[in-house]
Amino acid sequence: GQNIDQPTEMTATEGAIVQINCTYQTSGFNGLFWYQQHAGEAPTFLSYNVLDGLEEKGRFSSFLSRSKGYSYLLLKELQMKDSASYLCAVRDFSGGYNKLIFGAGTRLAVHP
Amino acid sequence: DAMVIQNPRYQVTQFGKPVTLSCSQTLNHNVMYWYQQKSSQAPKLLFHYYDKDFNNEADTPDNFQSRRPNTSFCFLDIRSPGLGDAAMYLCATSRDKGGTEQFFGPGTRLTVL
Repeated sequence: GQNIDQPTEMTATEGAIVQINCTYQTSGFNGLFWYQQHAGEAPTFLSYNVLDGLEEKGRFSSFLSRSKGYSYLLLKELQMKDSASYLCAVRDFSGGYNKLIFGAGTRLAVHP
Repeated sequence: DAMVIQNPRYQVTQFGKPVTLSCSQTLNHNVMYWYQQKSSQAPKLLFHYYDKDFNNEADTPDNFQSRRPNTSFCFLDIRSPGLGDAAMYLCATSRDKGGTEQFFGPGTRLTVL
């Protein structure tokens, strides 16, 4: 089957670093995405990993270990505007075409 | 700016009254997707079009239909909305079936009375 797990909620302090973990089980793994979603808005793309290792993009970094079925999103120098849900999504090809399977999201609250 | 547009942003309908949500894109992408997202849950793929080829997810209820008359537009029809269909409906596009980055529209929040 297909399963994506990530913590429901996290809190952090402005200026700090936070790591949001995601574990997944899928039969046709073909890449992993992280999206940011503010309340009542559409998800926006943050990062994409298809090979093992770390991808860095400004204050955001994402890591993937395919053998462990594990990814994390690292947010540095947290700002208040980073308060949002962070969705881990696996691209799965087991149905004969690529589709994204989303986790339920991690709600991050950044406090002053 | 190239974008994905959804209209209306908020839709209220009555139990059992058919409703249509629309999505348009100026990205000229081949693939268009419809997702349903209920409060605090993951977006759930309902179906997608690759060009004119329609792909329905196995667990999408028959109550949900879609049309794509041309590259730019895609519609979600809910034939007989129930209370459980109240949700945010997200349209997304991607350039090809390779599953490159999906671009999401702002969503339509559907309320069923």
